[in-house]
This record gives sequence, C-alpha cells and structure tokens, in this order.
Amino acid sequence: EIVLTQSPGTLSLSPGERATLSCRASQSVGSNYLAWFQQKPGQAPRLLIYGASSRATGIPDRFSGSGSGTDFTLTISRLEPEDFAVYYCQRYGDSPPYTFGQGTKLEIK
Amino acid sequence: EVQLVESGGGLVQPGGSLRLSCAASGFTFSDHYMDWVRQAPGKGLEWVGRIKNKANSYSTQYAASVKGRFTISRDDSKNSLYLQMNSLKIEDTAVYHCVRIGLVGAATRAFDVWGQGTMVTVSS
Repeated sequence: EIVLTQSPGTLSLSPGERATLSCRASQSVGSNYLAWFQQKPGQAPRLLIYGASSRATGIPDRFSGSGSGTDFTLTISRLEPEDFAVYYCQRYGDSPPYTFGQGTKLEIK
Repeated sequence: EVQLVESGGGLVQPGGSLRLSCAASGFTFSDHYMDWVRQAPGKGLEWVGRIKNKANSYSTQYAASVKGRFTISRDDSKNSLYLQMNSLKIEDTAVYHCVRIGLVGAATRAFDVWGQGTMVTVSS
C-alpha cells in the first residue's frame, strides 16, 4: 500500500499570499496518478488536480499541481477568501487501495 | 447537471446491517466505474470500494478494512449504486460518499464527481 504524507498539517496564510502544499508518497506513484481535492466544512470533496498537474473542469488557474514519482506539490498562487479549506492528495488508478493523504488545513492568518 | 445523491444512512447497532443507495443523474451511469469513500467524523478520507462497468464484468474491489463485510452492487437500469454493509462495527461510523470515476482522456480513473454523502452511525 502506498502511504501519502502531507505537509504541513496546518498552513496559516493571508489572502493574496502564495500557498505551497506538499504530498510525499512512500513509493513511486505510477503514471502520475496523483490527485488533489479541496474540502470545505459540510461539503463533499472537490477534484482540483488530476494526473499530478491537470486542472479539473472549472478550477481557476491560480491552482496548479506539479511533481512526479514520490514528491508532489499543490500551489495556490494568490489566495482568495474561498480557498481556505482542507486539501487532500490521493493516489488513484487501477491498483487498489486508492489512498488519501491525511490532509492539510489551510487557515486564515 | 451531473449529480449523485446518497440515501439510506442512519443509526444501527454494532453487528447490524444497513444498505446505502446512490442515485445518479446527468451522465451515462452505465459507462462509469463507481466507488464509495467514507469519512469518519473529524477525520480524513478513506476509500471503501469500487464496482467496475459491464464491459469489465462488474468486478469489485474492496479496502481491507471492509472486505468480507461490505458488498457493492449497481443497477444500470435504475442509474443506481448500492453499498450493503453487514457486521457493522463502531469504527464504520462515517459519512459515506458515492463517487464517479472518470473515463475520458487524462482524467481516466480520477475521482471526478462526489455526492454529498449519507451519515452512518454505529452505536449501541
């Protein structure tokens, strides 16, 4: 089973600042089957990034994903008030289990 | 509009059973793999299981934590997904989300559409 470790656990920033979230896998994620999700309180997770770097439909271009192998990053270039939420990375594909990281909480400073 | 709506959650005693349903609309349900993902209160996301499409023999995959206790099925004629949960444990308490799996291009296999979820509480 591939274990995903996200850092930091909590990130405190102000609107307009740049956010950098990390996701490290215990072994290489094949075919870059790495996704990022945003979850706000009381809501379902929303797909932001798939294939490590492709934005999902309707996702603003201030969200970008990068990385390969075992190290992946989600960057939010300029934080908007609605971006403060919990973010999860996930390894998906055809070989279960499809594990999630433990999450990074992005909070307003 | 693409939509997934779960139902069937509730309070059940340890050792009991519950059947969750997920109604899909706005897309060709029969083409897609479908998954269940759960989230315990205040905790992170945990993949529960998958059912593939007819072209892949409706084969299923399960997380180790639920294998042998949970069964995923689907009825393509009703655009519906099901999760039969038996021998429930306190640690199965969670919101259960129905998830569509992408099948187009680079988004293939991505968890691209989520339902709001239904709460299952296992308690005596």
